[in-house]
Amino acid sequence: EDQVTQSPEALRLQEGESSSLNCSYTVSGLRGLFWYRQDPGKGPEFLFTLYSAGEEKEKERLKATLTKKESFLHITAPKPEDSATYLCAVHSPGNQFYFGTGTSLTVIP
Amino acid sequence: DAEITQSPRHKITETGRQVTLACHQTWNHNNMFWYRQDLGHGLRLIHYSYGVQDTNKGEVSDGYSVSRSNTEDLPLTLESAASSQTSVYFCASRENTGELFFGEGSRLTVL
Repeated sequence: EDQVTQSPEALRLQEGESSSLNCSYTVSGLRGLFWYRQDPGKGPEFLFTLYSAGEEKEKERLKATLTKKESFLHITAPKPEDSATYLCAVHSPGNQFYFGTGTSLTVIP
Repeated sequence: DAEITQSPRHKITETGRQVTLACHQTWNHNNMFWYRQDLGHGLRLIHYSYGVQDTNKGEVSDGYSVSRSNTEDLPLTLESAASSQTSVYFCASRENTGELFFGEGSRLTVL
């Protein structure tokens, strides 16, 4: 069965303290890996799509990377406004999207 | 700007009642989806549609139905609401490739 696992479940960082979120997956024939940001009471907001191992995408303080088994979302010098839940999803060969349970990030001023 | 809107945003209902959640998108996307989000679970697919008159069951479809009479709308109906259907529901749409675009969600409480 296709699975997506995110770790850690929750992460508390001091402002400026860089870290990484992990998304591991077991889907074979990945058609894409997606990262989303979700704020409380809101729908997920698209951040990045990665399609092949070795690919990297950047946006402000966020950088997403992809290997054959996992993806990392690196957060450099985070700010309190980066606090949110970060979701990853894989697009399978069966044209389905499988979501992880997310990492809840809190950045403390 | 194109968008996807859900209504109502919040609803409280009683066990056994029929409930319909509306989803409307203005991107002209063929593909539309309904997910539910619960603590401890990722977003789980309820139903999806690849075009007008096309509907398909997802992972957690029992107790739910959808219909697709035009490109813009995919209403989700709970035929007889149960307490286990208390959740936050998200509608999403996408082109044939690329990312999913999500609505703001509908929080449903079944008493």
